[in-house]
Amino acid sequence: QQQVKQSPQSLIVQKGGISIINCAYENTAFDYFPWYQQFPGKGPALLIAIRPDVSEKKEGRFTISFNKSAKQFSLHIMDSQPGDSATYFCAASLNSGYSTLTFGKGTMLLVSP
Amino acid sequence: NAGVTQTPKFRVLKTGQSMTLLCAQDMNHEYMYWYRQDPGMGLRLIHYSVGEGTTAKGEVPDGYNVSRLKKQNFLLGLESAAPSQTSVYFCASSYSAGGTSYEQYFGPGTRLTVT
Repeated sequence: QQQVKQSPQSLIVQKGGISIINCAYENTAFDYFPWYQQFPGKGPALLIAIRPDVSEKKEGRFTISFNKSAKQFSLHIMDSQPGDSATYFCAASLNSGYSTLTFGKGTMLLVSP
Repeated sequence: NAGVTQTPKFRVLKTGQSMTLLCAQDMNHEYMYWYRQDPGMGLRLIHYSVGEGTTAKGEVPDGYNVSRLKKQNFLLGLESAAPSQTSVYFCASSYSAGGTSYEQYFGPGTRLTVT
């Protein structure tokens, strides 16, 4: 049973455009939603995270939008740059320091120059 | 700070051989994790540990064993490798006592091929 569904699998965006990646979760007990960014040949690294007490969190060009009633959250990358080309994973967990993360299957983003 | 390191970076095994992957972290993190990453499958949790001497099964534990004898090290063992275990393996760690971050820090990965 896949608890976090991510779409699309791949995405091509022109430089300067907006990249949007969506995730949906099933477990209503989840209350921590991070996004990880992975460059080829590297391990994933935390990009931005949100808790369900807010509907949006912005860090620079990266924004998470959260819809608790729909059990959906999304990553928006504004003014996308070629350096943003990477694989992005959404994830969800319970609000605990040792709670395990459930990852989506990933979205491969290519930003064309 | 080296963060999370993994040894080896690459390995080729024949079916039935055994090996141990080593993960080390220097951030005094309590929790450590082993994931495998396969194309189109995302990151799947194999085993994890919430402290020295403790381990627990994740989503895909079959065929793997782990040990956490020291807080800074987390070992992943394959007793009898199978081609289905060809994958990229990532170790991660998180949470320092007294901290508030749940961020998981990942190592650079080990690419394992089983022929």
